[in-house]
Amino acid sequence: DSGVTQTPKHLITATGQRVTLRCSPRSGDLSVYWYQQSLDQGLQFLIQYYNGEERAKGNILERFSAQQFPDLHSELNLSSLELGDSALYFCASSVSEGTQYFGPGTRLLVL
Amino acid sequence: QQPVQSPQAVILREGEDAVINCSSSKALYSVHWYRQKHGEAPVFLMILLKGGEQKGHEKISASFNEKKQQSSLYLTASQLSYSGTYFCGTWYGNEKLTFGTGTRLTIIP
Repeated sequence: DSGVTQTPKHLITATGQRVTLRCSPRSGDLSVYWYQQSLDQGLQFLIQYYNGEERAKGNILERFSAQQFPDLHSELNLSSLELGDSALYFCASSVSEGTQYFGPGTRLLVL
Repeated sequence: QQPVQSPQAVILREGEDAVINCSSSKALYSVHWYRQKHGEAPVFLMILLKGGEQKGHEKISASFNEKKQQSSLYLTASQLSYSGTYFCGTWYGNEKLTFGTGTRLTIIP
């Protein structure tokens, strides 16, 4: 158990819909990262927050957005969902910029 | 810049050894190794700091060659439980960890 929690574990929705994925980092970690992993693919970095501020952006679509709240939990919002958005979405946290600890992931299926 | 991992995939019989390499095009501060089982989250294995330090974790060890900007992960006497995809993450000191494309390791009995 990494100490990072993600909810929900599974999500099934339809194209065009909007969903919110939630992540609670390890106690004391200020950085939160979001990754997308499609079937048998690598980890695609989406976005990083550090202590409430956006720190780095990767290949995140305009339909996707995220934020980190004062209690340091983070949410990833995915809108106008398409079939290709089906993937595992991981959240990771770290104290600063080093070792990242991953949550169990949210498996999103868009039908 | 994304580090380059090699090989992309390897199949071993139980008990055989493997080496996975991770190369960077610029100076590294540290290299982090992760293993991911199918459908699960990546799990942190170990961190290598610049200085040529070698670390070990059971029968899995790693080295960091500062001159070559390369890290190697060594798996000896592989066990079935070692199967998975191995990712290296490179850290340059002022940016987030950047992950390689992964090496898929399959151990067969």
